[in-house]
Amino acid sequence: QVHLVESGGGVVQPGKSLGLSCAASGSIFRNYAFHWIRQPPGKGLEWVAFISYDGSLSKYADSVKGRFAISRDNSKSTLYLQMNSLRVDDTAVYFCAREYDLLSGIDDWGLGTRVTVSS
Amino acid sequence: DIQMTQSPSSLSASIGDRLDISCRASHDIGNHVAWVQQKPGRAPKSLIYSASTLQSGVPSRFSGSGSGTDFSLTINDLQPDDFATYFCLQYNRYPLVFGGGTKVEI
Repeated sequence: QVHLVESGGGVVQPGKSLGLSCAASGSIFRNYAFHWIRQPPGKGLEWVAFISYDGSLSKYADSVKGRFAISRDNSKSTLYLQMNSLRVDDTAVYFCAREYDLLSGIDDWGLGTRVTVSS
Repeated sequence: DIQMTQSPSSLSASIGDRLDISCRASHDIGNHVAWVQQKPGRAPKSLIYSASTLQSGVPSRFSGSGSGTDFSLTINDLQPDDFATYFCLQYNRYPLVFGGGTKVEI
């Protein structure tokens, strides 16, 4: 089990930037890959981005490619999501989630942080 | 991209009922399907991975089945704590895709 706590959410104007963090504890952070997943108000879950255990590989949803960047600092057990050129439809609760391994997929989720993009 | 079609989108049930929720993938994804439970205002909780393996601590009344393109989540003896929204998730290839969700109401 891992304890994941997201932070950095808030209200931001369209076109601006915002950075999210996800602090992990309770397991060896550097051993695991992580994802960012979001949920717009009243809607379902949408996968956003993935990063491998060592940061050498990342993947993005088409909706955020070129605007968002996922990264990690294994020395700080922290995952990041830098969001640039924000749009109104990026408004959502953003969750970080741990991937146990390729076969098992995601096993633990954070509580989420809310991002509102509005003028 | 793979599409995940989940049904029904909502259902009403009673304590003690048996429920079946389905997900159909647009392409063969082997057994790389997970099921996730979410309650209002709460973080999602992973229930099942590899189509049929329960995550640690998940009650045995939950079960999953399927492979290829057709998958299902079954809840036996529905309990008050089970009223929630359930999502399937394919993790066979990127982008990961969730089903649209099934809201289970009393």
